[in-house]
Amino acid sequence: DARVTQTPRHKVTEMGQEVTMRCQPILGHNTVFWYRQTMMQGLELLAYFRNRAPLDDSGMPKDRFSAEMPDATLATLKIQPSEPRDSAVYFCASKIRDFETDTQYFGPGTRLTVL
Amino acid sequence: GEDVEQSLFLSVREGDSSVINCTYTDSSSTYLYWYKQEPGAGLQLLTYIFSNMDMKQDQRLTVLLNKKDKHLSLRIADTQTGDSAIYFCAEGARDRGSTLGRLYFGRGTQLTVWP
Repeated sequence: DARVTQTPRHKVTEMGQEVTMRCQPILGHNTVFWYRQTMMQGLELLAYFRNRAPLDDSGMPKDRFSAEMPDATLATLKIQPSEPRDSAVYFCASKIRDFETDTQYFGPGTRLTVL
Repeated sequence: GEDVEQSLFLSVREGDSSVINCTYTDSSSTYLYWYKQEPGAGLQLLTYIFSNMDMKQDQRLTVLLNKKDKHLSLRIADTQTGDSAIYFCAEGARDRGSTLGRLYFGRGTQLTVWP
């Protein structure tokens, strides 16, 4: 049963600390997305990778956020320094190809609380 | 996601039908999607409809598409308490360039089913 996995599931940290969230896309999927979900903004796309290359990170605050894919089995989202307004649930999703018809599979999310 | 619009809340009694509505922006979207998010989980594809169809039925789910009005609806027949979740409408990429595989999500409709 192939799934997108995310770690950690929950993270509580203090303002100013670095936060790293990790995602393992489904094996063989070449497209990866990072989303942020909040009550106020709903679901926002932060970053979008195809074959490990970033396609669109226009939704990501560049001064503190960075997203990378060190290899095909790992995507990371870092926040440095973290702020209380970064508190949200962060989802990773992957799809087998970057075609409209292919399904996005979501991970369970990382719930981040910045105090 | 601000261009894909949904009402935020819907409450129904168990056994009744639920209808969740959505308006989208791009008449060139090939597919339109409904995703479901259960508490504490990521989004899961529920169903989708190809843009040249008016209706799609899948067991208790009926999707209706009105392309002229850019209106999509999801009807759940015989709604059960287990259907309580957030339902997201999504449309595909608006430009056919490099971001072919991304989706634009609405804010989500919280469906509450009362016993």
